[in-house]
Amino acid sequence: GNSVTQMEGPVTLSEEAFLTINCTYTATGYPSLFWYVQYPGEGLQLLLKATKADDKGSNKGFEATYRKETTSFHLEKGSVQVSDSAVYFCALINTGTASKLTFGTGTRLQVTL
Amino acid sequence: DVKVTQSSRYLVKRTGEKVFLECVQDMDHENMFWYRQDPGLGLRLIYFSYDVKMKEKGDIPEGYSVSREKKERFSLILESASTNQTSMYLCASSEPPGGNYGYTFGSGTRLTVV
Repeated sequence: GNSVTQMEGPVTLSEEAFLTINCTYTATGYPSLFWYVQYPGEGLQLLLKATKADDKGSNKGFEATYRKETTSFHLEKGSVQVSDSAVYFCALINTGTASKLTFGTGTRLQVTL
Repeated sequence: DVKVTQSSRYLVKRTGEKVFLECVQDMDHENMFWYRQDPGLGLRLIYFSYDVKMKEKGDIPEGYSVSREKKERFSLILESASTNQTSMYLCASSEPPGGNYGYTFGSGTRLTVV
């Protein structure tokens, strides 16, 4: 079946540090990949997505590249801000699974001044 | 923007009560979903619906049921609430096939069962 594995958190960084949150997946076929972000007290928001191999999704300074050879979709940002403190979820949809998203367990990011 | 609205942000219910969580979306989406979110477990799918009056079990349907009488509204029902159902509940909607557009989530309902 489908599964998503994320690095354990929490991740604590100083402002302006470089961020990487690792995500790997297991799926048959050609899934679409997503990163969602959850700010404190809120629901999840779509951060970025990639629908085929070698696609790069980007938004708000975050990037992730769909790497089929390593089954990975790592999230990166060159310079984090305090306002980026949130929980980040990697997820996939496989077209053979009735449009159901499979989520990783989430990685909490805490950015300090 | 698509909006998914969950009727309550916080609920406190007693063990054994029947609990209704309501979710409404305003963009005519066909697919709707209920997840629960627990620390260390991420999001787990309870039920989903791909059309009015259609529903399918997700990964953890036990103790829950759903109702979708109108396209815009998807209700989650806890038939007899128990303390292990204390959790954050998230509703989402998407257009078919759902893959390339992702989901739109509501703000969540934090349910405490005492």
